Amino acid sequence: KAGVTQTPRYLIKTRGQQVTLSCSPISGHRSVSWYQQTPGQGLQFLFEYFSETQRNKGNFPGRFSGRQFSNSRSEMNVSTLELGDSALYLCASSLMGQMNTGELFFGEGSRLTVL
Amino acid sequence: QKEVEQDPGPLSVPEGAIVSLNCTYSNSAFQYFMWYRQYSRKGPELLMYTYSSGNKEDGRFTAQVDKSSKYISLFIRDSQPSDSATYLCAMNRGSTLGRLYFGRGTQLTVWP
Repeated sequence: KAGVTQTPRYLIKTRGQQVTLSCSPISGHRSVSWYQQTPGQGLQFLFEYFSETQRNKGNFPGRFSGRQFSNSRSEMNVSTLELGDSALYLCASSLMGQMNTGELFFGEGSRLTVL
Repeated sequence: QKEVEQDPGPLSVPEGAIVSLNCTYSNSAFQYFMWYRQYSRKGPELLMYTYSSGNKEDGRFTAQVDKSSKYISLFIRDSQPSDSATYLCAMNRGSTLGRLYFGRGTQLTVWP
């Protein structure tokens, strides 16, 4: 069974640009969440999607957005990039109902560097 | 103040040692408590899950939750070099669709 797939794995952008990251969840998983991981702040929740609807959103500015498609694949977009957006962006999927167990399955992440 | 506090370490121990990792939290609404392990350049993977207060054992790993003190622990017995990783505590309010609140992670090195 394939795991969570994130693309691209690494990318370098300059300030002011925008970036789109993609996540393919485990087959059958309908919930997808995104986290930002930095050395200083650790893992911070960005947003969560279920059945193409955003169910939860973290405390990030409106430059961070996401969406989920009917096949459960998800994308997140960051516009007007800032240096502080440099981070590892992690996508996680779970079966509905398994959230109670905390059983999130994470991808290997997309490492974004903003110059 | 973050809702979940975790000492980032680093923690370095010899092979065979007992390792104790801890987190404190401030939100009494948290009901589900987890420990994730993250190897370098990999995503976190779930190690242990505990509901409410109590202990849970899985092989060399024991998770403890003390809700009265808002304190959770992970013990690793007979630590191995392959246990070298970052350990993240996480918790949530127990809703079916929700978010996890993570600690910053503790970097552990087990040397042979």
